[in-house]
Amino acid sequence: SAVISQKPSRDICQRGTSLTIQCQVDSQVTMMFWYRQQPGQSLTLIATANQGSEATYESGFVIDKFPISRPNLTFSTLTVSNMSPEDSSIYLCSVDSSGIYNEQFFGPGTRLTVL
Amino acid sequence: AQKVTQAQTEISVVEKEDVTLDCVYETRDTTYYLFWYKQPPSGELVFLIRRNSFDEQNEISGRYSWNFQKSTSSFNFTITASQVVDSAVYFCALSEGDDKIIFGKGTRLHILP
Repeated sequence: SAVISQKPSRDICQRGTSLTIQCQVDSQVTMMFWYRQQPGQSLTLIATANQGSEATYESGFVIDKFPISRPNLTFSTLTVSNMSPEDSSIYLCSVDSSGIYNEQFFGPGTRLTVL
Repeated sequence: AQKVTQAQTEISVVEKEDVTLDCVYETRDTTYYLFWYKQPPSGELVFLIRRNSFDEQNEISGRYSWNFQKSTSSFNFTITASQVVDSAVYFCALSEGDDKIIFGKGTRLHILP
């Protein structure tokens, strides 16, 4: 299985600011995904981060609000821009482990609170 | 459109009892994957199982077992002889092969000592 780390593990931010979350994997992976889990809710896919191309966003999520970078096969960042209290959530990255189709593992998550 | 329904929002059982978590899914694809994940109070998401649509064989892993029935579009999860450490939120999920996973709303399981 892939080992996934995220930074920061948690943060408290002020309204109107931006936060960049990092996701690092210990092996090269083709697909990386970003999910949001609002308090007491299920996980919702934000976007698929593709190496060498723009991220693919799900309905309801836009690049201006959640810009994503994927500079190589082991790293991705998600930025939550111009934050509001409604953005308070756990943000998780996940990977489709190379060579094991559709075996998805999740990072520990970043717990974001926006005041 | 794909959809996952976990009708049980919250379940409480006494330790050592067996408990079954229900999952019903909808998909138009003939090739798809079903998952169960566990999210303990610490928050991390723990992968439990993946099943592809061509393999209806039931699976057992220790105290965990899964019953996949395509005829009823169900993928139920049973914990035998439950333990307090099994207390968590359990998510059933579906992927139609494009690697995007759609999650159910989850079932919060309380195992009472």
